[in-house]
Amino acid sequence: NAGVTQTPKFRVLKTGQSMTLLCAQDMNHEYMYWYRQDPGMGLRLIHYSVGEGTTAKGEVPDGYNVSRLKKQNFLLGLESAAPSQTSVYFCASSSPTRDRVHEQYFGPGTRLTVT
Amino acid sequence: KNQVEQSPQSLIILEGKNCTLQCNYTVSPFSNLRWYKQDTGRGPVSLTIMTFSENTKSNGRYTATLDADTKQSSLHITASQLSDSASYICVVSAGYSSASKIIFGSGTRLSIRP
Repeated sequence: NAGVTQTPKFRVLKTGQSMTLLCAQDMNHEYMYWYRQDPGMGLRLIHYSVGEGTTAKGEVPDGYNVSRLKKQNFLLGLESAAPSQTSVYFCASSSPTRDRVHEQYFGPGTRLTVT
Repeated sequence: KNQVEQSPQSLIILEGKNCTLQCNYTVSPFSNLRWYKQDTGRGPVSLTIMTFSENTKSNGRYTATLDADTKQSSLHITASQLSDSASYICVVSAGYSSASKIIFGSGTRLSIRP
């Protein structure tokens, strides 16, 4: 049981390049999330998904796209990378408990630098 | 506006000492509050989860308290160890079954010195 995994762990992009971050979970969770974490700030939600084939925008969605073609995978795409997208990206997954609490499980993160 | 404020921003204590981290929130309607530990270079890991009806929850040497009236929570660490060096993040959920309304504090960076 690997939990939540993310690939790649590190990436350096030039401005204007595109890339896709992959998140996979083996806990059969319905919900998946992409966050970014910047120094001195809390995690901010980029996009999330409440089930296979569905996605929704979070707090900071501009410049990113996502897809959830399979329940266990959630992909985050950067169409044209900008230096402002330099950050650490975390994927998380959850399923609501009987109390409707979402205990989120996080991946190890992807450190992205855009030059 | 839904907000979660943590204090202090950073803290250094000696190994074996106790410490308390604070979290104040203005989130409505309140659903639950979680404390996470985030080691450097890792993703956050859940320590405790408290719903509205709970005012204390323990996980080993970690004890979280919740005062829903004053909208405050604290995380107390007893007999600190070097492995407790990490960032501690307070997370509050607004509403029920709402995956998007999860608000993260910016964390307290705790350093334990031998």
